[in-house]
Amino acid sequence: DTGVSQDPRHKITKRGQNVTFRCDPISEHNRLYWYRQTLGQGPEFLTYFQNEAQLEKSRLLSDRFSAERPKGSFSTLEIQRTEQGDSAMYLCASTSGLRSRLSEAFFGQGTRLTVV
Amino acid sequence: AQSVTQLGSHVSVSEGALVLLRCNYSSSVPPYLFWYVQYPNQGLQLLLKYTTGATLVKGINGFEAEFKKSETSFHLTKPSAHMSDAAEYFCAVSESSGTYKYIFGTGTRLKVLA
Repeated sequence: DTGVSQDPRHKITKRGQNVTFRCDPISEHNRLYWYRQTLGQGPEFLTYFQNEAQLEKSRLLSDRFSAERPKGSFSTLEIQRTEQGDSAMYLCASTSGLRSRLSEAFFGQGTRLTVV
Repeated sequence: AQSVTQLGSHVSVSEGALVLLRCNYSSSVPPYLFWYVQYPNQGLQLLLKYTTGATLVKGINGFEAEFKKSETSFHLTKPSAHMSDAAEYFCAVSESSGTYKYIFGTGTRLKVLA
């Protein structure tokens, strides 16, 4: 297994367009997280899935954002009507359900979104 | 609520010198602490973690960190800096229940001078 994969690595879009990002976690990991990282900041939590269930969403996740994890495998994060403030690196992470809190998160390479 | 503070957004050291990156945390329960490194336009790579047990934790690439409960600190050190250590370093604490999501500090950018 090659780790957490994210696609695309870079996305440039015009303001008002919709974008969708994909995350493929490590295959046996049932916990999946999305984070957003803006320039000069640490990653901030967006949302969390346990298997296919979305169990927590941050206040950062406005109603223009939606995330899914069908069948508990890959996940998608969609942003509708993008705004310049959405420009950021979007990071996906996964952890094993075993020993829950003890398990460290494995991060993907991220998707860098630029809204022009 | 848990939080992490990283003192010094930028740290410069000479090659071969000691690296010290500071991290202080706030947590009402025993914390689980992590240090991650991020190279430009890359994701985060785990350097080391503290969960329970030994308070001096050794990680990859010669880094180590010591958990000091009395000082609520988890500073990252490396005896001798290498040029390849230049990167951004993030300290994080994991939530104690529920999602176990991470709360990150704002990061410290390490520059290594030749």
